[in-house]
Amino acid sequence: GQQLNQSPQSMFIQEGEDVSMNCTSSSIFNTWLWYKQDPGEGPVLLIALYKAGELTSNGRLTAQFGITRKDSFLNISASIPSDVGIYFCAGQGAGGTSYGKLTFGQGTILTVHP
Amino acid sequence: NAGVTQTPKFQVLKTGQSMTLQCAQDMNHEYMSWYRQDPGMGLRLIHYSVGAGITDQGEVPNGYNVSRSTTEDFPLRLLSAAPSQTSVYFCASSYSGRPGANVLTFGAGSRLTVL
Repeated sequence: GQQLNQSPQSMFIQEGEDVSMNCTSSSIFNTWLWYKQDPGEGPVLLIALYKAGELTSNGRLTAQFGITRKDSFLNISASIPSDVGIYFCAGQGAGGTSYGKLTFGQGTILTVHP
Repeated sequence: NAGVTQTPKFQVLKTGQSMTLQCAQDMNHEYMSWYRQDPGMGLRLIHYSVGAGITDQGEVPNGYNVSRSTTEDFPLRLLSAAPSQTSVYFCASSYSGRPGANVLTFGAGSRLTVL
């Protein structure tokens, strides 16, 4: 099946630093999503991307849908302690049978030191 | 709105026992799904449903059953629990039409331990 490689697996940064993480796929995706998970909670949507080349911001977060449709990245600027959590990329493959079926990356664990 | 509600939040089972994880959503979403989350493996799709009366298998369906008798509810059944099913389970739902298709809303999760 489809696989997503998300990197890095973990990051330890100082408050105020910028963060970058990315996902690559072996196949084309029609949709890229970025989620954040806080401890003991379910993932919450950060940004949704629907078109190749699309660049979308949500406050200090910026994400892009790669032009090849096989990758996406998420940047967080000026990190703060509440950015701590696990960040997941997710993609929906091309084709009707892929409707609604998201493939998730392994997650990036972000730790922010005050 | 409550969104996606999962119960129970925690459960301990013995090998061979059966149980049902409950999931309900009040957003009139057509699509519902179950994922399991294991360390270092992200979320993997177990079963999903595109509407009442319609279910299908995901990536890791073995050992689990589902049914969808109403739009709101999508229970996940473990028929004979095994230690390999120790995991955190998430129910999620979404609209089927644009915009918002594929944008899953997740429940808070159910942590299951099988001894």
